[in-house]
Amino acid sequence: QVTLKESGPVLVKPTETLTLTCTVSGFSVTNVRMGISWIRQPPGKALEWLAHMFSNDAKSYSTSLKDRVTISKDTSKSQVVLTMTDMDPIDTATYFCARVDFGGTVDLWGQGALVTVSS
Amino acid sequence: DIQLTQSPSFLSASVGDRVTITCRASQGISSYLAWYQLKPGKVPKLLIYAASTLQSGVPSRFSGSGSGTEFTLTITSLQPEDFATYYCQEHNRYPPFTFGGGTKVEIK
Repeated sequence: QVTLKESGPVLVKPTETLTLTCTVSGFSVTNVRMGISWIRQPPGKALEWLAHMFSNDAKSYSTSLKDRVTISKDTSKSQVVLTMTDMDPIDTATYFCARVDFGGTVDLWGQGALVTVSS
Repeated sequence: DIQLTQSPSFLSASVGDRVTITCRASQGISSYLAWYQLKPGKVPKLLIYAASTLQSGVPSRFSGSGSGTEFTLTITSLQPEDFATYYCQEHNRYPPFTFGGGTKVEIK
């Protein structure tokens, strides 16, 4: 079965660093025709793309968040990790990892992980 | 960066209705537009890519059209399971990945 699954803390405090892990199964994170993105959706708001990891390990970040976000990959564990520093309540959102195909569409999504930022 | 503007942001409709959602791009994107369906607690779903190509497994009541800067997603005969939020996404030049603001379809 081809899936992505996000894992990480449900609650983080302001100023803390968030680390989320995306574990993939049924396909390889090194597949040259695919990449993995992190996308978030604050409650009641629109989707926002955060970061992308290409199959060749190249990375790209949202301009507005590039100073706070890092994406990395552990091929041996079939995982892609998102780190976001200096968390704020406005970062409260459901965070999705997503498989992006060669054409640039998200053909597979994780179920999402709700992260609340609160003291 | 390209901006995508969806309209309406909210619509109320009944089962069996025909529903049309519009996505306008700030510059021409040829036919590089995708549509997604999001429901609370469910895995989001790709419905359409390349403006009008139906993703495998998506019911034929969903259709997409348009090119350049104006695109539409149409649902003929709205079903109970179609009440959700829909997003468009430009997939020509990426990254960044740009999404529209979303259209929430609720039951009238």
